[in-house]
Amino acid sequence: AQSVSQHNHHVILSEAASLELGCNYSYGGTVNLFWYVQYPGQHLQLLLKYFSGDPLVKGIKGFEAEFIKSKFSFNLRKPSVQWSDTAEYFCAVNAREYGNKLVFGAGTILRVKS
Amino acid sequence: DTGVSQDPRHKITKRGQNVTFRCDPISEHNRLYWYRQTLGQGPEFLTYFQNEAQLEKSRLLSDRFSAERPKGSFSTLEIQRTEQGDSAMYLCASSQQGPGELFFGEGSRLTVL
Repeated sequence: AQSVSQHNHHVILSEAASLELGCNYSYGGTVNLFWYVQYPGQHLQLLLKYFSGDPLVKGIKGFEAEFIKSKFSFNLRKPSVQWSDTAEYFCAVNAREYGNKLVFGAGTILRVKS
Repeated sequence: DTGVSQDPRHKITKRGQNVTFRCDPISEHNRLYWYRQTLGQGPEFLTYFQNEAQLEKSRLLSDRFSAERPKGSFSTLEIQRTEQGDSAMYLCASSQQGPGELFFGEGSRLTVL
């Protein structure tokens, strides 16, 4: 079965620290990859996406993610976090052969200390 | 506000009762999805509509669950004979582009006592 693993459930960082959140998926075919973010009290929203091409994709608010096919990974990064990045981050995968569903990881709660 | 709206935001019910949730997607989006999220987990896919046609259903969607999108606009998700295990956040999302680029609503939280 297709699955998505996020390595850390809770991460605490100080402002200006660098961030890397891990995401690995189990499906070996062609995939589309996504990171979603949920700020406190708000709905889930798309942060960035990868379909094809350059494996380093840039999203909103200075976030980027790198697709490494050989490692089945799509890690999220930000060089310098801000207090406003406090949120829950979800990695998600769509495999074309699985139709129209997204498979989400369990999420990583990031708390940034000011 | 032109985002996805869901109603009610919170529902507390007793085991065995029926509940219905409504979702109003972004008006120009022809794709509509229902997901379920429990504490400490990511959203899990339940079902997908393209216009009024329900094209995909998860095995999570037991026969107590039914979803409709009668005119290709709003959608309803009904749970019959609720069980405590149905307690969760029910999320609706819509899309114009495909299964990944979703616009989520704020969810309907169900508590079954």
